[in-house]
Amino acid sequence: GESVGLHLPTLSVQEGDNSIINCAYSNSASDYFIWYKQESGKGPQFIIDIRSNMDKRQGQRVTVLLNKTVKHLSLQIAATQPGDSAVYFCAESSPNTGNQFYFGTGTSLTVIP
Amino acid sequence: EAGVTQFPSHSVIEKGQTVTLRCDPISGHDNLYWYRRVMGKEIKFLLHFVKESKQDESGMPNNRFLAERTGGTYSTLKVQPAELEDSGVYFCASSRQIGTDTQYFGPGTRLTVL
Repeated sequence: GESVGLHLPTLSVQEGDNSIINCAYSNSASDYFIWYKQESGKGPQFIIDIRSNMDKRQGQRVTVLLNKTVKHLSLQIAATQPGDSAVYFCAESSPNTGNQFYFGTGTSLTVIP
Repeated sequence: EAGVTQFPSHSVIEKGQTVTLRCDPISGHDNLYWYRRVMGKEIKFLLHFVKESKQDESGMPNNRFLAERTGGTYSTLKVQPAELEDSGVYFCASSRQIGTDTQYFGPGTRLTVL
């Protein structure tokens, strides 16, 4: 079955440092990946996505890296700020699963001022 | 553009009662999804509507859950009768296109079954 998981359930970083959140997936046919940020009391918010024909994509202070060989996804946040504190979810979809999204359990990021 | 909205934000009911959750997707989004997150676990897919039709309901836990989307606009998810294990946060999401298209999430409904 599908398995999308994160290596660490919690992560604490100092303000200004870079953060790296990791995610593993098991479906080699997955072709679309999204990182979501969920703040307390809110629904998941889209951060950045990447398709399987790419291995890196950059946004504003965020970078997603995709390693299809080992089925690993990571989210890098540069110069982490207190407002980055949230739970981060990776999600993946594939044509052979009806394009529904499978989510990881989430990593809780705490930024220490 | 208004986002996905959900009602109520919280619901506390007793085991055996009925609860109906509502989701209003972003206008123009044909695709509507229901997800659930049980405490500390991953967000799990429940079902997917394309307009008023159920495209995929493989994630629905059992026949106590009934989702509808009459008219292809808003959707309701009814749990009847509710059980303790139904407690969690129910998210709704919508997207314009199926598949590789970003899904926009609502704030969720936190359901507590006592």
